[in-house]
Amino acid sequence: GAGVSQSPRYKVAKRGQDVALRCDPISGHVSLFWYQQALGQGPEFLTYFQNEAQLDKSGLPSDRFFAERPEGSVSTLKIQRTQQEDSAVYLCASSGEGTPETQYFGPGTRLLVL
Amino acid sequence: QKEVEQNSGPLSVPEGAIASLNCTYSDRGSQSFFWYRQYSGKSPELIMFIYSNGDKEDGRFTAQLNKASQYVSLLIRDSQPSDSATYLCAVNIYSSASKIIFGSGTRLSIRP
Repeated sequence: GAGVSQSPRYKVAKRGQDVALRCDPISGHVSLFWYQQALGQGPEFLTYFQNEAQLDKSGLPSDRFFAERPEGSVSTLKIQRTQQEDSAVYLCASSGEGTPETQYFGPGTRLLVL
Repeated sequence: QKEVEQNSGPLSVPEGAIASLNCTYSDRGSQSFFWYRQYSGKSPELIMFIYSNGDKEDGRFTAQLNKASQYVSLLIRDSQPSDSATYLCAVNIYSSASKIIFGSGTRLSIRP
């Protein structure tokens, strides 16, 4: 079956530009997670949704980062006024009710801010 | 102190040998522990999770958990070149049922 998909796969932005990253979770998965992974580091938790509710956004690094999942399926991570330090791979993961401990990761969006 | 610590490696192991990867965590109330494998340029994939003290085996992989020592390990038996990857230890912290904290990963290289 279809896994988690993310788009775009690559994004180059000029400093100060706004970007929007999309995540399509596995159909029926209620939980959705966003992570940021810098080169040579493990993924860092950004935020978590259960259906449309954002239950934890403690990892969002600043108020320039905003995530939404209005219908409990597709999610968008928005970064306003991008900075060079935002350059990273942004990973989305989803998990189902039956196996909440198993997070399935998408391929990621590689963001480069110039 | 980082919440989840791993030796960054690289750890070089001959083909056919046992690779041993280690991880320590700081949150004593952590309940769930995970090992992910990440190939270069790819996303992480879950290998195993473990909740209880002791060993859990799945094929060539064995996860070991010692909550008293706050220590998790992954053993890979009969290592293959295809096992060469970065192995990420992750812990579900006590204060948030949903939040998983990853270590920085250990690079494993299996030499033929």
